[in-house]
Amino acid sequence: EIVLTQSPATLSLSPGERVTLSCRASQSVSSNLAWYQQKPGQAPRLLIYDASNRATGIPARFSGSGSGTDFTLTISSVEPEDFAVYYCHQRSNWPPITFGQGTRLEIK
Amino acid sequence: EVHLVESGGGLVQPGGSLRLSCTASGFTFSRYSINWVRQAPGRGLEWVSYISSSGNVIYYADSVKGRFTISRDNANNSLYLQMNSLGAADTAVYYCARDPPGLPFDSWGQGTLVIVSS
Repeated sequence: EIVLTQSPATLSLSPGERVTLSCRASQSVSSNLAWYQQKPGQAPRLLIYDASNRATGIPARFSGSGSGTDFTLTISSVEPEDFAVYYCHQRSNWPPITFGQGTRLEIK
Repeated sequence: EVHLVESGGGLVQPGGSLRLSCTASGFTFSRYSINWVRQAPGRGLEWVSYISSSGNVIYYADSVKGRFTISRDNANNSLYLQMNSLGAADTAVYYCARDPPGLPFDSWGQGTLVIVSS
């Protein structure tokens, strides 16, 4: 089973700041890594797939990078609506399909 | 517009059973694989089960293998999850998620809450 480890667990910052979230895989997933955003009481929303491709309708301030075992999600300038929990997700070697434990982005 | 609606959740006693449904609209259901993903209260996402578009390929997480059964009815645009021998660890919101070829889960339902408690 591929384990995805996200860091940090929580990030506190102010609107307008740039933020980078990390996801590390226990073995290579090539570029088969996705990112989701989840707000309280809502279902997850796909942001990034194949490590660096934005999903339909996702603003350009969201970008993803990485390959192999190390990946990042960057928000170039955080908007108030971006405060949420972010999960990485792999299906390079499955089953099982796995998710990271999440990074919570909170307002400072 | 793609729409997935889960139903069937509720309160069930330990050892009991429940059947969840997911009804799809806005796309050709029979062309897509679908997954169940769950989220325990205050916790992260956990993949539960996968079924291919035709229903002939099925996978389960180890945590539910032998207790849960996924199935689908393409004629009625519906997905199901039969859950038996439920325990407290199965308490969660259960989501169905569409699984396009070559892409991760691109559309999710709003979820249905299952509470296992006496």
